[in-house]
Amino acid sequence: QKEVEQDPGPLSVPEGAIVSLNCTYSNSAFQYFMWYRQYSRKGPELLMYTYSSGNKEDGRFTAQVDKSSKYISLFIRDSQPSDSATYLCAMSGTGGFKTIFGAGTRLFVKA
Amino acid sequence: EPEVTQTPSHQVTQMGQEVILRCVPISNHLYFYWYRQILGQKVEFLVSFYNNEISEKSEIFDDQFSVERPDGSNFTLKIRSTKLEDSAMYFCASIRTGGSNTEAFFGQGTRLTVV
Repeated sequence: QKEVEQDPGPLSVPEGAIVSLNCTYSNSAFQYFMWYRQYSRKGPELLMYTYSSGNKEDGRFTAQVDKSSKYISLFIRDSQPSDSATYLCAMSGTGGFKTIFGAGTRLFVKA
Repeated sequence: EPEVTQTPSHQVTQMGQEVILRCVPISNHLYFYWYRQILGQKVEFLVSFYNNEISEKSEIFDDQFSVERPDGSNFTLKIRSTKLEDSAMYFCASIRTGGSNTEAFFGQGTRLTVV
């Protein structure tokens, strides 16, 4: 079983849709969970940084962590064409960024 | 918005040659990281650097790799004798920890091609 699993997609949605992106993991030592957005030929951009279970909201983005199920999600409300990118989940056992990344999900938001 | 600058954007080198990848992190950040992404594969952690020394490194970061911050601003990754499998995008990240206000900024990356 891979340590972090993420469906690579692609995921295609119409503009304005709610997008749900997910990752599962197997290592119960993970405590810190991150979501990144990566545009083509660019470096990753940190969107959300969360600790342990629960929800965190930032604008149109909501991150959820369910440690009991080893499942994390990122929701994007009112999706825009500019949200079209690859979304990477990442996690670590410490507060640092020695992270294990998911494969990334390619998202296309159609105008 | 703060910016991490990496140079060069693309480096082509012959197998066995040494390469130095450069990064200018954000001035008030204390933690610096290198990651790599082989084409079509996941981003992988290589090494973290704090207080002028390596704090953590991965299995990938063997004796062929080294990092330093020679002048208090630049942060470099050196690969002593490049191999074909070192071909990848290399990303530098500059981190400021602060609980829920933690910041992480990645550079645009250096594409290393070993021929």
